[in-house]
Amino acid sequence: QKEVEQDPGPLSVPEGAIVSLNCTYSNSAFQYFMWYRQYSRKGPELLMYTYSSGNKEDGRFTAQVDKSSKYISLFIRDSQPSDSATYLCAMRSGSGGGADGLTFGKGTHLIIQP
Amino acid sequence: GAVVSQHPSWVICKSGTSVKIECRSLDFQATTMFWYRQFPKQSLMLMATSNEGSKATYEQGVEKDKFLINHASLTLSTLTVTSAHPEDSSFYICSARHGGQYFGPGTRLTVL
Repeated sequence: QKEVEQDPGPLSVPEGAIVSLNCTYSNSAFQYFMWYRQYSRKGPELLMYTYSSGNKEDGRFTAQVDKSSKYISLFIRDSQPSDSATYLCAMRSGSGGGADGLTFGKGTHLIIQP
Repeated sequence: GAVVSQHPSWVICKSGTSVKIECRSLDFQATTMFWYRQFPKQSLMLMATSNEGSKATYEQGVEKDKFLINHASLTLSTLTVTSAHPEDSSFYICSARHGGQYFGPGTRLTVL
């Protein structure tokens, strides 16, 4: 079993729809959870950064973390064609003075149809 | 804020040569930077953690003598791929922590 599981998609939805992206993980030591957006041949762009369980909202984006289920989600409201990209979940533990590298999901390819 | 740059953005080299990739934090200082590799349609895989003023920490399966990392200042880390071979062709991305981890734009290496 991989440490982080993420459906690679592609996920295709019409413009304006609510998008739900998810990851599951197996390592209970993970405490910091991130969502990145990556366009083709570009570096990942940090979208959301959360610690432990709970919700965090930023504009059209909402991140949810359920540590008891080892499940994290990213919701995108009022989706736009410009949101079309690969979305990567990433996480790390809180040990080692916070210098841990990230463990990534495989990424979900999202397509927003105009 | 929290901008990370990489140079070059792409490089093509002959098998057996060495290639150096630079990673810079432009508007913050980073005692720790990270190097990742991403193969087509795959996720980012952590290669090593670069610590300013000390030796890098390599992930299991990553050859430290092949992938030389130097973190000489609080804003610059370099990755040198020595004696590159075609199987080293990949997308190399660095990141630095400033709260969350911020990534550079990546360097696409093609070894002929």
